[in-house]
Amino acid sequence: AQTVTQSQPEMSVQEAETVTLSCTYDTSESDYYLFWYKQPPSRQMILVIRQEAYKQQNATENRFSVNFQKAAKSFSLKISDSQLGDAAMYFCANSGGATNKLIFGTGTLLAVQP
Amino acid sequence: DTEVTQTPKHLVMGMTNKKSLKCEQHMGHRAMYWYKQKAKKPPELMFVYSYEKLSINESVPSRFSPECPNSSLLNLHLHALQPEDSALYLCASSQAWAIQYNEQFFGPGTRLTVL
Repeated sequence: AQTVTQSQPEMSVQEAETVTLSCTYDTSESDYYLFWYKQPPSRQMILVIRQEAYKQQNATENRFSVNFQKAAKSFSLKISDSQLGDAAMYFCANSGGATNKLIFGTGTLLAVQP
Repeated sequence: DTEVTQTPKHLVMGMTNKKSLKCEQHMGHRAMYWYKQKAKKPPELMFVYSYEKLSINESVPSRFSPECPNSSLLNLHLHALQPEDSALYLCASSQAWAIQYNEQFFGPGTRLTVL
């Protein structure tokens, strides 16, 4: 069975600083994808970044980057130069296997302090 | 157009009412999903449609009835709901129900309150 664990229910960061959100996962699949989704308060969930398991290179999207450690089954998200608009719930997710379902972690609520 | 739209935004219904939630996308996606999300919790998958056919039903009670009239539309018919069904209902779509096309685009959700 696939599982995704986010051990930080809440995090806080100062504006312009860097923060790292942790995520670990477990899967028996060899072909899978990992995602970070952002859900601002009362707003739409959007994809932040995606990583294919077969790619060794860490994905980056502007100020967002991941540290993908396949052997350790770790997939952390680094947000650089944090902005007030980064305040949101962040969900780590994994998909793969026969059902191809998106399995979410419990989320990390990120606050950005001005 | 990279948007998934959902109507209504808010819905309040009694336990004897019948109502429907609507979801629409015009991205040409062939997989569509319904999720239920409680406050400060991750979304829980309810149904998956692939090429307008129901592919996954996560043992959802029959008071929730999905329908996919065409490739752009997804409905969720509600009948005889319970107060514990109050939640945010999210619709999502992806290019296909296949691992390489599994980036899901989410709608803003319908906030449902059952009295």
